[in-house]
Amino acid sequence: QVQLVQSGSELKKPGASVKVSCKASGYTFTTYAMNWVRQAPGQGLEWMGWINTNTGNPTYAQGFTGRFVFSLDTSVSTAYLQISSLKAEDTAVYYCARGSGGYYSLPSAWGQGTLVTVSS
Amino acid sequence: DIQMTQSPSSLSASVGDRVTITCRASQGISNYLAWFQQKPGKAPKSLIYAASSLQSGVPSKFSGSGSGTDFTLTISSLQPEDFATYYCQQYNSYPPAFGQGTKVEIK
Repeated sequence: QVQLVQSGSELKKPGASVKVSCKASGYTFTTYAMNWVRQAPGQGLEWMGWINTNTGNPTYAQGFTGRFVFSLDTSVSTAYLQISSLKAEDTAVYYCARGSGGYYSLPSAWGQGTLVTVSS
Repeated sequence: DIQMTQSPSSLSASVGDRVTITCRASQGISNYLAWFQQKPGKAPKSLIYAASSLQSGVPSKFSGSGSGTDFTLTISSLQPEDFATYYCQQYNSYPPAFGQGTKVEIK
């Protein structure tokens, strides 16, 4: 069955960087897009962007350019989200979500989420 | 950008109640509308896509309808496991957008 397993919680200081991983199994990794979704504490879901797992081309939503980087290692079916120059407002749960066959931005499977806490 | 507005933001209901949640798009999105369920501390779960198609394994007590700008999610008979927050999402045009969520609580 399709599974997305994300890396564990992170506690970082302001200004540091973090890299979240999302390992996929149960399907051909390069067939489906991978989305990233943020959920700040007590808030709703916010789409961050997506990466084409076939070409490696990332697309970032407004507000997620500059410090956010999506990447892949297709040899291990894993997508990554790296956030640099962390700020307190980056504290959130980050989800990876596999797209659907014909629609890259329609999540059909979700990772369990990774809590990133930014605090001095 | 398309804005998605859900109503109500929260509701209280009893076990066995029929519950309806509304999602409105700021412009027409055909039927490119999905619904998700999220329980506290858990990842969202995909319920419905294309406005009315159930994801595999989702019970038939969930149903969706609508097209254009107005959509609804209905739970026919609320059960204890259905108390959660529900989100709609449009995927018709870039950027995709979620509604703000509707929290379904126990009365």
